[in-house]
Amino acid sequence: GAVVSQHPSWVICKSGTSVKIECRSLDFQATTMFWYRQFPKQSLMLMATSNEGSKATYEQGVEKDKFLINHASLTLSTLTVTSAHPEDSSFYICSARVGGRETGELFFGEGSRLTVL
Amino acid sequence: GQNIDQPTEMTATEGAIVQINCTYQTSGFNGLFWYQQHAGEAPTFLSYNVLDGLEEKGRFSSFLSRSKGYSYLLLKELQMKDSASYLCAPMDSNYQLIWGAGTKLIIKP
Repeated sequence: GAVVSQHPSWVICKSGTSVKIECRSLDFQATTMFWYRQFPKQSLMLMATSNEGSKATYEQGVEKDKFLINHASLTLSTLTVTSAHPEDSSFYICSARVGGRETGELFFGEGSRLTVL
Repeated sequence: GQNIDQPTEMTATEGAIVQINCTYQTSGFNGLFWYQQHAGEAPTFLSYNVLDGLEEKGRFSSFLSRSKGYSYLLLKELQMKDSASYLCAPMDSNYQLIWGAGTKLIIKP
């Protein structure tokens, strides 16, 4: 299957700082990537859809100025959590579909666990 | 509204068979996915059903009934490594996956 890689896997930061998470498709091009957040024992929550070369589409209730998404190339999307606070501590996961097929399976990155002190 | 109903937790014995049920309501339907998620890890794809019936893939099988809004995942010859959460995720008319909290499966020796 296709490979999606996320970095970093773990990050601890102080409140008020910004954290950048990278998501790369290693062996395929992804015009669209998806960013999720998951709190313990809860479902995946779609935060935004990242589109290569254009603005991301954010889900209702997700602050676009706080969660900056940049999809600069067909293999890289970044999520920056700006001015992070303890309530932003969560498991952030990116995913992508191969070939842009809308019904294709999603390949997920390993996830990034953010802890804000 | 859109919703998914799965048992929160199930327990089974190593070597046995377990069936995880899922009922769903979505705005439109473009198939249903099952994913496995081990604790602290990202989900991995198990199956995709878009037509009614049973899809078999090794020890795992998935069934879909579109008219009933129902699917199940069948796991045979359970192994300890199958202990994980199993996520039922139907896709709506906008090709958005709808995620529930999943079913935590505990395998006992």
